[in-house]
Amino acid sequence: EAAVTQSPRNKVAVTGGKVTLSCNQTNNHNNMYWYRQDTGHGLRLIHYSYGAGSTEKGDIPDGYKASRPSQENFSLILELATPSQTSVYFCASGEAGTGGSEQYFGPGTRLTVL
Amino acid sequence: GQQVQQSPTSLVLQEGENAELQCNFSTSLNSMQWFYQRPGGSLISVFYNPSGTKQSGRLTSTTVIKERRSSLHISSSQITDSGTYLCAMGSNMGYKLTFGTGTSLLVDP
Repeated sequence: EAAVTQSPRNKVAVTGGKVTLSCNQTNNHNNMYWYRQDTGHGLRLIHYSYGAGSTEKGDIPDGYKASRPSQENFSLILELATPSQTSVYFCASGEAGTGGSEQYFGPGTRLTVL
Repeated sequence: GQQVQQSPTSLVLQEGENAELQCNFSTSLNSMQWFYQRPGGSLISVFYNPSGTKQSGRLTSTTVIKERRSSLHISSSQITDSGTYLCAMGSNMGYKLTFGTGTSLLVDP
């Protein structure tokens, strides 16, 4: 069974502070993704990775960095958090392949920036 | 850019009724996935269906690539089917999903 976990599940941060969201997958998938979900916008891709050491910009990367130190772990970093980054963040993993593949999602992290 | 249109935006059913959810894509797609989400919950994959028809219990998904559309049919709806259904398409690059804004389904007893 595919397994994607995220930590923390809930986070309250202050404006200007640094926030790190972590994701771990045990699927041995090459691809990993970070999305945010907001009312009225649906889910949008922030960053993604093709494997350890790689990070790519998604559709809304401004204000975010990503890190993929290993096959299993993918982090999303907010160096200077702002209230506009209050959202629910989802991590996902999927197999590599130009033909597309099914993605498996983690439980989400609810971030509030005050 | 890629756009995904879902309809209807919301739907209320009496238990036992059937539902048809639609998804239309503005560009050609390489993959297609339906998700279910409860309020405050994660995304649960219902179908990965790049083309053709797939069935799982009371749920049936049909994707027609040439017409750039996909549908999710729910038969004999149950109260536990209530929630939001999201469709997402994968691009030709295959590396990301573009999501629709969802259909909110409420099944009343």
